Amino acid sequence: GQQVMQIPQYQHVQEGEDFTTYCNSSTTLSNIQWYKQRPGGHPVFLIQLVKSGEVKKQKRLTFQFGEAKKNSSLHITATQTTDVGTYFCADNGGYQKVTFGTGTKLQVIP
Amino acid sequence: DAGITQSPRHKVTETGTPVTLRCHQTENHRYMYWYRQDPGHGLRLIHYSYGVKDTDKGEVSDGYSVSRSKTEDFLLTLESATSSQTSVYFCAILTSGDEQFFGPGTRLTVL
Repeated sequence: GQQVMQIPQYQHVQEGEDFTTYCNSSTTLSNIQWYKQRPGGHPVFLIQLVKSGEVKKQKRLTFQFGEAKKNSSLHITATQTTDVGTYFCADNGGYQKVTFGTGTKLQVIP
Repeated sequence: DAGITQSPRHKVTETGTPVTLRCHQTENHRYMYWYRQDPGHGLRLIHYSYGVKDTDKGEVSDGYSVSRSKTEDFLLTLESATSSQTSVYFCAILTSGDEQFFGPGTRLTVL
């Protein structure tokens, strides 16, 4: 079956540093979604990318979809303590079944 | 939060007992999902529903059953709970824009 892997599994950064998490799939992704889960909370939808090579920005967050639609990345510029949490990518692969990546846990050190 | 509630929020039970978790939504969404979340595994789909009485299995459905007799309610049942089913369970709905909204989660401990 499809596997969606994320690297790194954990990342500690000093506040103000940049952060990137990568999402890689064993198969071609249909659409890629990104979610954020704060500690003790539930996942919250951030964005969806549909087109090959697509790039979207939300303030300090930049999302990219690979040209071959087999990978994606989330980059955060100048991290803040409010960015702490686990970031998941997910493939909305049709039939409304969503396959989630393994997640990257971000810790920001003030 | 798309009007999603889960009950109970916390439960401790013993091995071999049946457990039912409830997910309730107020906005008439067609698709509903049950996930479990465990360290190192992310979110794994247990079952999902695409309408009243229409359900299908996810990747980790063994040991679980579901029912959806009304649009607003999606029940997850562990017929005979095992310690490997200790987890955090999330319910989710799918919007028309393909966004998933999650409930607050149920923390289940099986002793």
